[in-house]
Amino acid sequence: DGGITQSPKYLFRKEGQNVTLSCEQNLNHDAMYWYRQDPGQGLRLIYYSQIVNDFQKGDIAEGYSVSREKKESFPLTVTSAQKNPTAFYLCASSLSGTGDHEQYFGPGTRLTVT
Amino acid sequence: GDSVTQMEGPVTLSEEAFLTINCTYTATGYPSLFWYVQYPGEGLQLLLKATKADDKGSNKGFEATYRKETTSFHLEKGSVQVSDSAVYFCALTSSGSARQLTFGSGTQLTVLP
Repeated sequence: DGGITQSPKYLFRKEGQNVTLSCEQNLNHDAMYWYRQDPGQGLRLIYYSQIVNDFQKGDIAEGYSVSREKKESFPLTVTSAQKNPTAFYLCASSLSGTGDHEQYFGPGTRLTVT
Repeated sequence: GDSVTQMEGPVTLSEEAFLTINCTYTATGYPSLFWYVQYPGEGLQLLLKATKADDKGSNKGFEATYRKETTSFHLEKGSVQVSDSAVYFCALTSSGSARQLTFGSGTQLTVLP
């Protein structure tokens, strides 16, 4: 089955530690995205990538980093510089970053930092 | 910049009731409009979309019409079911080269049997 996988579903970390969230897709999509969701709020874009080896900051990129070395993978690192890292993180992909292509979402990773 | 405003929840309805969730937007150019649904503990799924004025998106009994004159994209369903209980997000894509989604804050719907 084609789709997007995110692992793990739940992640716990101590304050001051970096943590990397995994996102893999086998849909052969060019574009991938990372969103953050906080309770009672919509999704906010962290980073996006329209093609391998290229990515752009979204609205709330501070304290996060990404890489796009392979078409199917777009890992997100939450660094210790992120002031409020506890949130639900969603990865998405689309056929292309241009045009009206649907974004497909993964099941999400809930990160708790204490 | 672009923005989406949707009615605050939570919304609680009885089974077979009529549903309306209001959504209005601010955008430059000609955005495409979407409704996404999120079931508990899951990611988002596209429910329906409309790409130009007066288009009607529909899926699973849900409908929404792209109204450019009122900058609205209200979600409606004639008879809700318990299984429709979820969070609904209105969203738009900008008309720039990178079509990022801008989301509303979401509306929690609970349908009681």
